[in-house]
Amino acid sequence: SQQGEEDPQALSIQEGENATMNCSYKTSINNLQWYRQNSGRGLVHLILIRSNEREKHSGRLRVTLDTSKKSSSLLITASRAADTASYFCATDNIIQGAQKLVFGQGTRLTINP
Amino acid sequence: KAGVTQTPRYLIKTRGQQVTLSCSPISGHRSVSWYQQTPGQGLQFLFEYFSETQRNKGNFPGRFSGRQFSNSRSEMNVSTLELGDSALYLCASRMASSYNSPLHFGNGTRLTVT
Repeated sequence: SQQGEEDPQALSIQEGENATMNCSYKTSINNLQWYRQNSGRGLVHLILIRSNEREKHSGRLRVTLDTSKKSSSLLITASRAADTASYFCATDNIIQGAQKLVFGQGTRLTINP
Repeated sequence: KAGVTQTPRYLIKTRGQQVTLSCSPISGHRSVSWYQQTPGQGLQFLFEYFSETQRNKGNFPGRFSGRQFSNSRSEMNVSTLELGDSALYLCASRMASSYNSPLHFGNGTRLTVT
């Protein structure tokens, strides 16, 4: 079963607006990562936040992590048409004694011009 | 630096056949992971290889297998193909053995089983 669950499943906004996606997970983690996937392509790593960090920035991206609530959010500011993609969170945790990176189902983001 | 290269890009096979997919990681990366992506199940972890050894395995039947060569290139094989094996198969590499280093993905192999 998936560890991370993204919310919402789909999001459509106007260019220039901010987009916020959320990720919830079930077990304790070492880190949480966000990836972007353009249609039919591979995933591209966006940002990694460790379990002892609360917030991280990278350009127009801002990620927060709340380990007490087992949740993370990805904020994209001043969205552009090129931000249209699916966004996945991935949690690094120990499952059945093995360290694994487990992906959520993703949020499909559409930026309307 | 060249990215992760997966070949072939597209593949069409019939039920019962077998298929081999190839992945060349970024130079210097010793870990290679494979994922299956379908609309219904999302991204499912298949296995991970590090220095020619399988380190992790997902919950897939034995028809799915893989290996890694001394140059870190990896192959995965699916035998006795089923319709449900139709998917995008993604390979990812990373430098270190820890998940504190991010995964670098190839563009995948789109497998269609008819």
